[in-house]
Amino acid sequence: ETGVTQSPTHLIKTRGQQVTLRCSSQSGHNTVSWYQQALGQGPQFIFQYYREEENGRGNFPPRFSGLQFPNYSSELNVNALELDDSALYLCASSLGQPTNEKLFFGSGTQLSVL
Amino acid sequence: QKEVEQDPGPLSVPEGAIVSLNCTYSNSAFQYFMWYRQYSRKGPELLMYTYSSGNKEDGRFTAQVDKSSKYISLFIRDSQPSDSATYLCATDHNTDKLIFGTGTRLQVFP
Repeated sequence: ETGVTQSPTHLIKTRGQQVTLRCSSQSGHNTVSWYQQALGQGPQFIFQYYREEENGRGNFPPRFSGLQFPNYSSELNVNALELDDSALYLCASSLGQPTNEKLFFGSGTQLSVL
Repeated sequence: QKEVEQDPGPLSVPEGAIVSLNCTYSNSAFQYFMWYRQYSRKGPELLMYTYSSGNKEDGRFTAQVDKSSKYISLFIRDSQPSDSATYLCATDHNTDKLIFGTGTRLQVFP
């Protein structure tokens, strides 16, 4: 186990709704990244937060937004859900910058949009 | 053209076989290369991390990077049924995000 916990594990929403996914990072880690993994695809970078500030964003529309809290936990919010948003959403935490040498992933939240 | 290309498989091998997994990438500026293992309904787990060209060995796993041909490989020796998983190659871009391949599904049968 990596110590990165995500909730909920599964979620079903309908098109047009809004969703909030949560991530608790590994103890001591101050950087959180979010990835979207569609079925049969590799994870795609959504954005990263470092010390509560957004620190890089992938090719996702503004209806994908996030927050990082003082305890370094994080939320991913998606507004106006579309069918194509159905995917596994992964949170990864790491310590400091650069971050990608030691990324620890959670088990993800499986989102289904009907 | 995708930045990282990976054959999705599936790849099915008998226990004890040597497995070769491969990826190609398009941007010669990529410097860091990783291999992740992902079991069903789990997040990716880092297996190997290499910088620039060369080989890196860890137990039964060897990662190889050839920057001249933009080719990265993962070799698994003496494969075990517990190695059955999806293997994802990834590369680092400006240190703020990873770019993943689509993943290769590996099945090792007893």
